[in-house]
Amino acid sequence: GEDVEQSLFLSVREGDSSVINCTYTDSSSTYLYWYKQEPGAGLQLLTYIFSNMDMKQDQRLTVLLNKKDKHLSLRIADTQTGDSAIYFCAEKSGGSSNTGKLIFGQGTTLQVKP
Amino acid sequence: GAGVSQSPSNKVTEKGKDVELRCDPISGHTALYWYRQSLGQGLEFLIYFQGNSAPDKSGLPSDRFSAERTGGSVSTLTIQRTQQEDSAVYLCASSHFTDTQYFGPGTRLTVL
Repeated sequence: GEDVEQSLFLSVREGDSSVINCTYTDSSSTYLYWYKQEPGAGLQLLTYIFSNMDMKQDQRLTVLLNKKDKHLSLRIADTQTGDSAIYFCAEKSGGSSNTGKLIFGQGTTLQVKP
Repeated sequence: GAGVSQSPSNKVTEKGKDVELRCDPISGHTALYWYRQSLGQGLEFLIYFQGNSAPDKSGLPSDRFSAERTGGSVSTLTIQRTQQEDSAVYLCASSHFTDTQYFGPGTRLTVL
């Protein structure tokens, strides 16, 4: 079935780059997303990538997609303390039902040390 | 414009009581989703509405859970005879058809 896996925790120093990794199983995924969740808040859309792309850059964020290996990564350049949050990878379910429901990973907690 | 709003932000209830959670989607969005975020299960899809089509209820965990969407806009998720395992954050999202989903702040439900 559909499954999305992420490492649970990443700690970096302020100013360093952060790389959060994600693997997924559904080869029919059309879009893959990164959402950010701060304590007590909902999910904030950070960026997304269409499955026929291999890279997307948006200011400090770079998304890399390896469709062959079903591997997605989010790189945050010049990480700041305000980037401390939980980051969720999600795939949009493909398949015949085409509801567009999202399958989420467990979330990666990013800790940025000053 | 306004984002997705949810109410209440927090709800504490006693086991066995019924609760209603409300979601106001982004104006003009045709699709509305409910998800549940709990410590043990992560983020799980519950139900999906698209326009006037029959909803996809495949993620509802039991028949104590139901949802409706009135007039293609506001949605209410109802949990009957709440159990302690229903304690979670309930997130609503909306989208234009099956495009990118935008989430509300969630309702934190605590069942005592």
